[in-house]
Amino acid sequence: NAGVTQTPKFQVLKTGQSMTLQCAQDMNHEYMSWYRQDPGMGLRLIHYSVGAGITDQGEVPNGYNVSRSTTEDFPLRLLSAAPSQTSVYFCASSSRTGVTDTQYFGPGTRLTVL
Amino acid sequence: DAKTTQPNSMESNEEEPVHLPCNHSTISGTDYIHWYRQLPSQGPEYVIHGLTSNVNNRMASLAIAEDRKSSTLILHRATLRDAAVYYCILRGRNNYGQNFVFGPGTRLSVLP
Repeated sequence: NAGVTQTPKFQVLKTGQSMTLQCAQDMNHEYMSWYRQDPGMGLRLIHYSVGAGITDQGEVPNGYNVSRSTTEDFPLRLLSAAPSQTSVYFCASSSRTGVTDTQYFGPGTRLTVL
Repeated sequence: DAKTTQPNSMESNEEEPVHLPCNHSTISGTDYIHWYRQLPSQGPEYVIHGLTSNVNNRMASLAIAEDRKSSTLILHRATLRDAAVYYCILRGRNNYGQNFVFGPGTRLSVLP
């Protein structure tokens, strides 16, 4: 299993540009989520999905869109990039949302917005 | 949601035991205590979790206080590879969908 994969690893955008961060998992997990991590901080939840066709907002959803058309993929779209969105983005998945279920994280995408 | 408090940083010598504390004085009876760690330039990875009893696995041990208001992650012999940020997280039945709240964690440095 590849686990959770994210592309690209690095990205530089100009203010106002849009882009999609890709996330895929091959573990048949129902639950997927996106976090951002700013320097020296913990992770903050952006959006999450409990299954194909179902998404919801996390703690910091503004400026981001998600959709979940398949179990495997959960892309994160930046609609109009802003310097405040410079961060490292992590995608995660787990088989369920139970209190004992482990989350598996991808390697991250480092995004810089100029 | 119940919160956790951890020291910002700790230091250990290689091959010595490390005890990483976490306070969670407002923990509810159904909250599980999870520990994750984040190695440099990587995503977080699962370490261990428990409810009331002490837990052991191949990576670490988790000691939970009798009143559950604190817990300690124990690395029995620290190696250089254990240098990471360690996160103590509470997961409860009320946190459906948003069940991971990562604080700043404890940055562990391991000295050779």
